[in-house]
Amino acid sequence: QSALTQPRSVSGSPGHSVTISCTKTSSDVYNYVSWYQQHPDKAPKLMIYDVNKRPSGVPDRFSGSKSGNTASLTISGLQTEDEADYYCYSYAGKNTFVFGTGTRVTVL
Amino acid sequence: QITLKESGPTLVKPTQTLTLTCTFSGFSLRTSGVGVGWIRQPPGKALEWLALVYWDDDKHYRPSLKRRLTIAKDTSKNQVVLTLTNMDPVDTATYYCAHTPVDGSGYYFDHWGQGTLVIVSS
Repeated sequence: QSALTQPRSVSGSPGHSVTISCTKTSSDVYNYVSWYQQHPDKAPKLMIYDVNKRPSGVPDRFSGSKSGNTASLTISGLQTEDEADYYCYSYAGKNTFVFGTGTRVTVL
Repeated sequence: QITLKESGPTLVKPTQTLTLTCTFSGFSLRTSGVGVGWIRQPPGKALEWLALVYWDDDKHYRPSLKRRLTIAKDTSKNQVVLTLTNMDPVDTATYYCAHTPVDGSGYYFDHWGQGTLVIVSS
């Protein structure tokens, strides 16, 4: 099963932007990447689906994109409540799916 | 309003079979395109996709666990059951069930249960 590699951690100051990458180890990332935010001891929450679509209720500070074998989540105007773990998720082919390795976002 | 809730044992012994139930409301597994999946998270580690079942009973499994996993839906009870055989301490994790919608690709989870912690220990 192909892995999705994310940086272990990223950090930024309030009001600044951070970008989290999600790289597929082989071939291009499908157009089916989603992103989840997880606060400690909480269930994950959908933030982006189908690469760049935002569910109702998710602030427009969160945006998604894809280029080749890398998908990205950008958080603009970073806020303290954005401090959490973030996971990408994608169709991996042959009717299987895979989560990324996870990224801890720290607001300085 | 879509809700999901996981239920099952908190403690299982090595070699035993784990059976978890996801009871949901606010949608039907008779609706074309809808699915329910199971995901787990070992303590302090990343999320792991385990299995998915769709409205038409199409089922997909994590390749490394395929021989141990079974997912089944009970449409009349609004439940999805996951069984994992031959439990090992490495299977200790919080297990989540989640809803996959009809919108867009459907290859994502838009609603999650609260999760249930399963500890494997003798």
